[in-house]
Order: sequence, then C-alpha cells, then structure tokens
Amino acid sequence: ETGVTQTPRHLVMGMTNKKSLKCEQHLGHNAMYWYKQSAKKPLELMFVYNFKEQTENNSVPSRFSPECPNSSHLFLHLHTLQPEDSALYLCASSHITTGPESETQYFGPGTRLLVL
Amino acid sequence: ELKVEQNPLFLSMQEGKNYTIYCNYSTTSDRLYWYRQDPGKSLESLFVLLSNGAVKQEGRLMASLDTKARLSTLHITAAVHDLSATYFCAVAPDVDDMRFGAGTRLTVKP
Repeated sequence: ETGVTQTPRHLVMGMTNKKSLKCEQHLGHNAMYWYKQSAKKPLELMFVYNFKEQTENNSVPSRFSPECPNSSHLFLHLHTLQPEDSALYLCASSHITTGPESETQYFGPGTRLLVL
Repeated sequence: ELKVEQNPLFLSMQEGKNYTIYCNYSTTSDRLYWYRQDPGKSLESLFVLLSNGAVKQEGRLMASLDTKARLSTLHITAAVHDLSATYFCAVAPDVDDMRFGAGTRLTVKP
C-alpha cells in the first residue's frame, strides 16, 4: 500500500463503547496529525506528533486519546464519546525538515464516525 | 487567534466561465496551501505557495499569494464539471501546525 491509510473507514459506536482508529503512513514521514472534520466547522487540528513526540493538543477532550508508537503509525483511542463527536476523522502526515516545500501534509481517506 | 477566511463558501458556476476564490488570513505566514476535497474523499494537495508574489498554475487552476495583504486567490479558468469539489486554503503558522479555512464548495454546471 502507498500513501496514508486509515482503518476502519466507517464506525458506529455507542456512547459507552471503546474503539480505536488506526492510521498508517507509507511515505517515510516524521510527523503525523489527527484532524476532525464536521459539517458545521472548519477542519480542526486535534493532535500532532513530530518525531513521535506529541507537540500539539488543541484543547481536545480527554475522551480522545492519541498514541504514536512509531513514526509510521498513529492511533486515536475513543471512549465515552458524545453524539456531537460524530464527524470525519482525518489522519495526515508530513516530512518536517528545513525546507518549507516538505511540509505539505498528505491526508488519509478518513474514518466516518457516528456516535449514537 | 489565527483566522483563515474563505469566500465565497458556496459557488455555483457554468462551464466555460471564470471565477476567483479568496482566502484571507489574520497572521503572518510565509506559506499557504490549497487543497481539494471530492465528496466522500480525503484532501488532495493542489498548491504550495512559499513567498510573496508566488504564482502557480495547474491546468485550469491558478493560485497566487500576497503575504503583505495576507491574501491568496485561486482562479478558475473556463470551468469544467470535473472541477466540482470543495477547495480549502490553509496557512502554517508553525512547522507542524496548519489552520484551514472553512472551504469553498464549487459546483460547475453544464
């Protein structure tokens, strides 16, 4: 596989469930990102991992818990979500060096999450 | 707070016509990105603009950047149906931070 892959592509969960979203990048990048895309808001940056270190957490509720075991894999663990958390969750990766051209982010296909 | 504002948010145009999408941002940034998103699909990188006055063209799309005015434009020339999508601009205030506009949903009608 090439590029950025995400699984599952669709997920329906109850508010008491625990689930995890997985992202894998095959581009040799060193930074990975989680975004939330909902119908009524612009694309929101949730978490950033730069060289496997979390460098950004934009006031995301603790019911979302990221994990980055290595530079190719990124997880988003979900527990006790709310219906308003229903959205498209996009993973992206980039290669951060001194050159600005390299910071283009490449996005995965997303996981469409529905919380009932 | 950094703001990235696009307009229009919705654009319906006929094939063969020209139009421009605008992206204003509220903080200093030397780089600006344009992405395309088709319905039900992910974001695809279109352009990266790295300096004041930068202009890039790909097919019927041309993007430009004015860092002094904090403005980028995406110009569509002789639109075709295949260009129907949502277009996002984004600025990167830091190397690992990217802030997106709300998107412009473009519909090209025959």
